[in-house]
Amino acid sequence: KNEVEQSPQNLTAQEGEFITINCSYSVGISALHWLQQHPGGGIVSLFMLSSGKKKHGRLIATINIQEKHSSLHITASHPRDSAVYICAISPPRQLTFGSGTQLTVLP
Amino acid sequence: DSGVTQTPKHLITATGQRVTLRCSPRSGDLSVYWYQQSLDQGLQFLIQYYNGEERAKGNILERFSAQQFPDLHSELNLSSLELGDSALYFCASSVEPGGQRSHEQYFGPGTRLTVT
Repeated sequence: KNEVEQSPQNLTAQEGEFITINCSYSVGISALHWLQQHPGGGIVSLFMLSSGKKKHGRLIATINIQEKHSSLHITASHPRDSAVYICAISPPRQLTFGSGTQLTVLP
Repeated sequence: DSGVTQTPKHLITATGQRVTLRCSPRSGDLSVYWYQQSLDQGLQFLIQYYNGEERAKGNILERFSAQQFPDLHSELNLSSLELGDSALYFCASSVEPGGQRSHEQYFGPGTRLTVT
């Protein structure tokens, strides 16, 4: 069993919809990271969380340490949000990655 | 732009060959991490250096090696290349060594390696 599980694997939404991507993990962590990978391959760090909730523009990330679960929400989705969203955990040191969620937002 | 640079962007080479991938971290960052992203394995951590010293090792093959130089740039050397080594190789940098605390990592644009 992978230490990091993401769902769904694929998600198609209409522009304007509220989107949720989930991440569950099975080990103790010091932080959880949400990353965005663009179609060209580049990876951007969106959030690093160790508790609670963070918001940046239309993106919101939450984490429940007791339940070992995190969610990434996108409000008022837009076609430019189409990308792969990757959850990663850091027990000590290196990142361990989920398999990613391919998000497609249709106009 | 994360401030992390990687060269080359693309590399095509034959099986059995050796290649070197280069990474320059963000100004002020002392840690460099190398990751491999292949179609079947996803993103995997290979190795971390902090201020010239190896700090952590992940799923790095014996055919692969890395180092971090005094100017903090890092090189990943891949030798005796196999078809299965074809992947995107990312480096990332952070200001701190890791350890029990986590720090945000800034990713470079990646090097796409194709082994034919």
